[in-house]
Amino acid sequence: GEDVEQSLFLSVREGDSSVINCTYTDSSSTYLYWYKQEPGAGLQLLTYIFSNMDMKQDQRLTVLLNKKDKHLSLRIADTQTGDSAIYFCAESITANNNDMRFGAGTRLTVKP
Amino acid sequence: GAGVSQSPSNKVTEKGKDVELRCDPISGHTALYWYRQRLGQGLEFLIYFQGNSAPDKSGLPSDRFSAERTGESVSTLTIQRTQQEDSAVYLCARQGPANTGELFFGEGSRLTVL
Repeated sequence: GEDVEQSLFLSVREGDSSVINCTYTDSSSTYLYWYKQEPGAGLQLLTYIFSNMDMKQDQRLTVLLNKKDKHLSLRIADTQTGDSAIYFCAESITANNNDMRFGAGTRLTVKP
Repeated sequence: GAGVSQSPSNKVTEKGKDVELRCDPISGHTALYWYRQRLGQGLEFLIYFQGNSAPDKSGLPSDRFSAERTGESVSTLTIQRTQQEDSAVYLCARQGPANTGELFFGEGSRLTVL
């Protein structure tokens, strides 16, 4: 089946930038998402990008999409301790969601 | 919150027992999903309900798994004769705005099979 891969762990110092990377295999992916899961909580949508976009910026968050390489990244500027969480990359072909594929999640640890 | 309540939040059971997990979304949302989150793995799609249409059960891993939903209300996921490999967090989600594909997740039910 189609896969979504991301590294499992990332550790940064408070104030630094964090970059979380994701690769996917389905070239038909139309919607690409980043979800955040804080301890003891459900996943929350952080941001999303359509496949016809290269970049999306939202305050401290920058999403970059390289469709040719099927590579998605999430950059968090000025990382804070409150950003410590698991970040899931996900992709789907439709907005219907039953074809959505999730990565295993990257656990971001922010050290003071 | 996300408008999705799940119960129980934690369930410990013995191998071979049946368990029932409950998802209660806020009203007015026809699309509802169940996912499984195993430790260190991505979310696995299990089942999808959309209104009165036949549910998409293509993600259910075996016939020990079943789910029901009446109308737009509560859904239950039942696992019969639980096995240790069923240990996971089971997440329920409702669909958000149609043009984004966003999902709103509950906090999950953590199942541990001893």
